[in-house]
Amino acid sequence: GQNIDQPTEMTATEGAIVQINCTYQTSGFNGLFWYQQHAGEAPTFLSYNVLDGLEEKGRFSSFLSRSKGYSYLLLKELQMKDSASYLCAVLDSNYQLIWGAGTKLIIKP
Amino acid sequence: GAVVSQHPSWVICKSGTSVKIECRSLDFQATTMFWYRQFPKQSLMLMATSNEGSKATYEQGVEKDKFLINHASLTLSTLTVTSAHPEDSSFYICSAPQGDNQPQHFGDGTRLSIL
Repeated sequence: GQNIDQPTEMTATEGAIVQINCTYQTSGFNGLFWYQQHAGEAPTFLSYNVLDGLEEKGRFSSFLSRSKGYSYLLLKELQMKDSASYLCAVLDSNYQLIWGAGTKLIIKP
Repeated sequence: GAVVSQHPSWVICKSGTSVKIECRSLDFQATTMFWYRQFPKQSLMLMATSNEGSKATYEQGVEKDKFLINHASLTLSTLTVTSAHPEDSSFYICSAPQGDNQPQHFGDGTRLSIL
């Protein structure tokens, strides 16, 4: 079956750096997405990786290793507004998006 | 700006009412749109895939007669919750990809409360 694993919850301190990991086993791979979802709101797109390596976008970076079935989202200079759930999703060979359960990130002052 | 518009944002209605939710792609054509449901503190759950000009594909356990999907044009999909009951109360979200390898853009979601 298809499976995406990410930690349920993480806690970090304002101003620090946090890395949210995602591992996947899917039937085929056409890219991996990271989304941010604040409570009560719809998800918003953060990043897309289809080739191995690091993609940097401001305070957020996303890394992919296809051979390891592994990705991480790195958040730097954490701000209180970064408290949210972070969803990892993989596009499989049928271009169907397989979602992880999300990682709830709690930022403490 | 928003590329997918979902309407309405909130619905509160009596049990037995049917509720229609619209999802529009604003500046691109979407042959496929997705409908999700999310209960509090739970992850997104895909309900169905809406296909323009053909029948929707429903996920296992989702009643197609309960959740009617119509994708009559390349920019509009609708989800109708028929004869809604309190257990249908949830956050319903639509999304549409701009292309095969493009991110899905989400609507703002519809919070449905059935009394």
